Amino acid sequence: QMQLVESGGGVVQPGRSLRLSCVASGFTFSDYSIHWVRQAPGKGLEWVAVISYDGSSTFHADSVKGRFTISRDNSKNTLWLQLNNLRPEDSAMYHCTRAAWQQPFDPWGQGTLVTVSS
Amino acid sequence: DIQMTQSPSSLSASVGDRVTITCRAGQSISRFLNWYQQKPGKAPKLLIYAASSLQSGVPSRFSGSGSGTGFTLTISSLQPEDFATYYCQQSYTSPYTFGQGTQLEIK
Repeated sequence: QMQLVESGGGVVQPGRSLRLSCVASGFTFSDYSIHWVRQAPGKGLEWVAVISYDGSSTFHADSVKGRFTISRDNSKNTLWLQLNNLRPEDSAMYHCTRAAWQQPFDPWGQGTLVTVSS
Repeated sequence: DIQMTQSPSSLSASVGDRVTITCRAGQSISRFLNWYQQKPGKAPKLLIYAASSLQSGVPSRFSGSGSGTGFTLTISSLQPEDFATYYCQQSYTSPYTFGQGTQLEIK
């Protein structure tokens, strides 16, 4: 069964950092691009970042560019999102999800909650 | 970025009703349009991909249509478990943007 499991969320003060993890199982991790998508409380879905299957290419949303960094280690079936200089508006549930080029996001992890508050 | 616009933003309906949700893309996206269902506290679930292909395990009362810039999601006969929020998403080009969501509520 294909599965993605996120961890690393928590409560953090503005300006601080956090590192989210996503561990994959049930499929060949190194064959797929992986994305991060976030959802602020009561709001819609916002795409955050993507990394290519081999880690050679990454893209980040303008709202997080320069502050967040996506990375992966295919030998560990693990994806990360480094969140630096956090702002209150970054508070959200962060999901990792799989997608080949021009394909839908499936499956999704259950998410890890980040709360940025003083 | 391609803007995706859903309508309506919210909808009240009864069990057994036929419901249609519309999604419009800011430019042509061919048939690279996906629909997701999300229930409170849960991750989104893929329902329809490539505009009209039903994801495995999704009931046949769900259907999708459209191409270019206009798309629809139809639920032929609402069931109690269908009350949720629905999102469209384009996967034509990165970033794969989402619509703002349609909240389907019980009348």
